[in-house]
Amino acid sequence: ETGVTQSPTHLIKTRGQQVTLRCSSQSGHNTVSWYQQALGQGPQFIFQYYREEENGRGNFPPRFSGLQFPNYSSELNVNALELDDSALYLCASSRGQGVSTEAFFGQGTRLTVV
Amino acid sequence: SQQGEEDPQALSIQEGENATMNCSYKTSINNLQWYRQNSGRGLVHLILIRSNEREKHSGRLRVTLDTSKKSSSLLITASRAADTASYFCATPNYGGSQGNLIFGKGTKLSVKP
Repeated sequence: ETGVTQSPTHLIKTRGQQVTLRCSSQSGHNTVSWYQQALGQGPQFIFQYYREEENGRGNFPPRFSGLQFPNYSSELNVNALELDDSALYLCASSRGQGVSTEAFFGQGTRLTVV
Repeated sequence: SQQGEEDPQALSIQEGENATMNCSYKTSINNLQWYRQNSGRGLVHLILIRSNEREKHSGRLRVTLDTSKKSSSLLITASRAADTASYFCATPNYGGSQGNLIFGKGTKLSVKP
C-alpha cells in the first residue's frame, strides 16, 4: 500500500465524451504526476503539479488538463475522448519538485473508450 | 523518446532461480528507480539508486548502477511465483519537463512454480 489512491478503478466512456479521474496523494507529498500507460508499453508522462501549479508537461494535447487542490489531491480531465485514449492512467505522488526522491504510484484507472 | 530500455523484454524462469534484468539509458542521471507492475495494476516502487552508489540491496533484490556504461541491473534472487510481474526502470527527465520520470517498455518476468 502506497497511500496513493485513485478513483474510479475502471471506466467506460464513449468517443467524444469527457472524463475526470481523481488521485489522492500520499500524506506529506506535495507533488502529483500523471502518466498514461498503453497496453504493452511503459508509462508516458502527461503532466505534473507542484503546490497547485502545473510544473511540467509531456507531449499530450491541451484536451488533457489537470488540477491540484490545496490538500494536494489532483484531477486529470480529458475532453473529446478518442479511442486511442484507452489506457491505464496512473498518478504518482512525491515530495518536492524534481526527481531526486521516490515517486509512489496509485493502482491506476483503467479507461476504455468505445 | 524513451530514456531507459530494459532487456530482455521477456524472461521465464523456474521458482528458486535468480532473475536478472538490465536497463540502459542515454543521458547522465543522478538517480535511477526500479518499479514492479503486476498485471494491469499500479507500479510498486522497489528501489532508488543514486549516481554515487554502485550497488544497493533490498531483501532479495540487488541493484547495480554503472554510470560509465549508462546501465543498471536488477537481480532477484531465489525467485518466487509471486515475483511474476513486469519490471521497469525509470530515469529522470532533465529536458523540457522537469520532474518527471521516463520509463522503458519493461521486462516481463514469469516465474513458474
